[in-house]
Amino acid sequence: EDQVTQSPEALRLQEGESSSLNCSYTVSGLRGLFWYRQDPGKGPEFLFTLYSAGEEKEKERLKATLTKKESFLHITAPKPEDSATYLCAVYNDYKLSFGAGTTVTVRA
Amino acid sequence: DAEITQSPRHKITETGRQVTLACHQTWNHNNMFWYRQDLGHGLRLIHYSYGVQDTNKGEVSDGYSVSRSNTEDLPLTLESAASSQTSVYFCASSGLTSGRADTQYFGPGTRLTVL
Repeated sequence: EDQVTQSPEALRLQEGESSSLNCSYTVSGLRGLFWYRQDPGKGPEFLFTLYSAGEEKEKERLKATLTKKESFLHITAPKPEDSATYLCAVYNDYKLSFGAGTTVTVRA
Repeated sequence: DAEITQSPRHKITETGRQVTLACHQTWNHNNMFWYRQDLGHGLRLIHYSYGVQDTNKGEVSDGYSVSRSNTEDLPLTLESAASSQTSVYFCASSGLTSGRADTQYFGPGTRLTVL
């Protein structure tokens, strides 16, 4: 059974204070690892897909990396608008298995 | 622009009533999914469909059903609503891309309260 664990559950940052979110996974044959952003009262919004260990993707202040056992979402010099819940999911057999998410709060 | 919509956005019902949540997508995607989201559990898969007339059970399918009569819609029915089904429900869709993990795009969600 696929398992996805995200840490920490919550992260409070000062504006400009860089940090990283962790997503560890166990899956039989990773076909892809997804990162989504979710704002309160809204549906998850797609950020990145990573397919193989060593792969990295960037979007504005966000950078996602992937190893054989975990993925990191690095937030560089965050701004208050980066406050959201970040969800990680592994893809297998056309389905996604999600972690519980990390809620990031960035204070001005 | 293509999109995925859900209705209603909020619903309050009573225990034992049948409830249907609508999901409509204009992406022309073959795959559609229903999830529920509860604090501490993340998103859990209820049912999914890979095309017209195809439906499959997810990890938390008890008490729910779906039917797929066209490409655009996948309604979710709660046969006899229970308080344990109070949750936020999300619909998602994805296209077929051979050999690669296809991205799921999510709707805005329906908040269901069962009293």
